[in-house]
Amino acid sequence: DQQVKQNSPSLSVQEGRISILNCDYTNSMFDYFLWYKKYPAEGPTFLISISSIKDKNEDGRFTVFLNKSAKHLSLHIVPSQPGDSAVYFCAAAYSGAGSYQLTFGKGTKLSVIP
Amino acid sequence: GAVVSQHPSWVICKSGTSVKIECRSLDFQATTMFWYRQFPKQSLMLMATSNEGSKATYEQGVEKDKFLINHASLTLSTLTVTSAHPEDSSFYICSAGGLVSPMGSATQYFGPGTRLLVL
Repeated sequence: DQQVKQNSPSLSVQEGRISILNCDYTNSMFDYFLWYKKYPAEGPTFLISISSIKDKNEDGRFTVFLNKSAKHLSLHIVPSQPGDSAVYFCAAAYSGAGSYQLTFGKGTKLSVIP
Repeated sequence: GAVVSQHPSWVICKSGTSVKIECRSLDFQATTMFWYRQFPKQSLMLMATSNEGSKATYEQGVEKDKFLINHASLTLSTLTVTSAHPEDSSFYICSAGGLVSPMGSATQYFGPGTRLLVL
């Protein structure tokens, strides 16, 4: 049972335009959400996060939106740059035994076309 | 952000041998580290939570005798794949952080990963 879903395996966007990556979750116990960027054969790099008490968090070109009622979050990148091309993973977290455990989606491969 | 290193970055071994992977937090102390596994074009799957000075907590379906985890210090956790077989070939990634505390956050910082190929 996949608790975190990224239904688009890939996305292509023109440089300078907005990239919107979507993520849905099913477990209402998740209280923290994160986006990671990953290149092949490398570990994920943390991008931005949002707690369940907020509905928006912005950091430079990256904005994450959370819709708790729909159990949906999205990552907006604007303007998109060729260096943004990578696989983006959505992760959801809940606290357990003193630590947060992350559940990852399958990722969306973003290609930014110059 | 915090820096986490892994060693080795890749390893090739014969079936039946054991392989040790080290995960270090370089600029902070990590009482908790996590070990993940990623298959090609798949998501990261949490294998276990490594707690300094105590036994690791394994996820369902992960053999604790197969994947030995030791977290002997606040900056080092090791994963040993014992008697490795070709099906153990994968990309193993560790992370640190994600503590629940007044000053903690869910953010985990990941190492660069270790690619294991068992022949």
